[in-house]
Amino acid sequence: KAGVTQTPRYLIKTRGQQVTLSCSPISGHRSVSWYQQTPGQGLQFLFEYFSETQRNKGNFPGRFSGRQFSNSRSEMNVSTLELGDSALYLCASSLAQQGSTYEQYFGPGTRLTVT
Amino acid sequence: DAKTTQPPSMDCAEGRAANLPCNHSTISGNEYVYWYRQIHSQGPQYIIHGLKNNETNEMASLIITEDRKSSTLILPHATLRDTAVYYCIVRTRYNFNKFYFGSGTKLNVKP
Repeated sequence: KAGVTQTPRYLIKTRGQQVTLSCSPISGHRSVSWYQQTPGQGLQFLFEYFSETQRNKGNFPGRFSGRQFSNSRSEMNVSTLELGDSALYLCASSLAQQGSTYEQYFGPGTRLTVT
Repeated sequence: DAKTTQPPSMDCAEGRAANLPCNHSTISGNEYVYWYRQIHSQGPQYIIHGLKNNETNEMASLIITEDRKSSTLILPHATLRDTAVYYCIVRTRYNFNKFYFGSGTKLNVKP
């Protein structure tokens, strides 16, 4: 079974621009979560989508948004990029069905650099 | 969700058992303990999880104290490839997939 895939793997953007990152979960997984990892703040939860609905959200400004499609693929968008948005963005998928134990499987991440 | 406390780093000799402690003194009855590891610049990798009982899988063993306030992840025969940051996480089954990762323990396996 293929793992979680994220595209692109690396990205360089300029302050003020916007960016869209993509995540394809493991086949059959309906939950997709996004995390931001920086050296200073560590791994921080952004949001989670399940069946095209956001059902959990972390403490990030409204510039960070996401969505999930009917095939469970997810995208996250960051508008008006700031230097501090430079980070590794990780996507994780989970089966998230009644009776399952909710372990998350992570993708390799997208390394975003804002200049 | 309960927060966790882990030592920032530990060393282990190759071939020996690595025992990584985690304190989660505010854990509540419906919170599970999960362990993940992250090898440099890769996505975190699921290792094991448990609620009350000790658990073992092909990667590791998880020992949870009777009062559930702490746990230990055991890698029985550490190899150089086990060098990574290990995260102990507690989460409620009812908070879906919002994981709080904390700072983790950097395990250095030395030859």
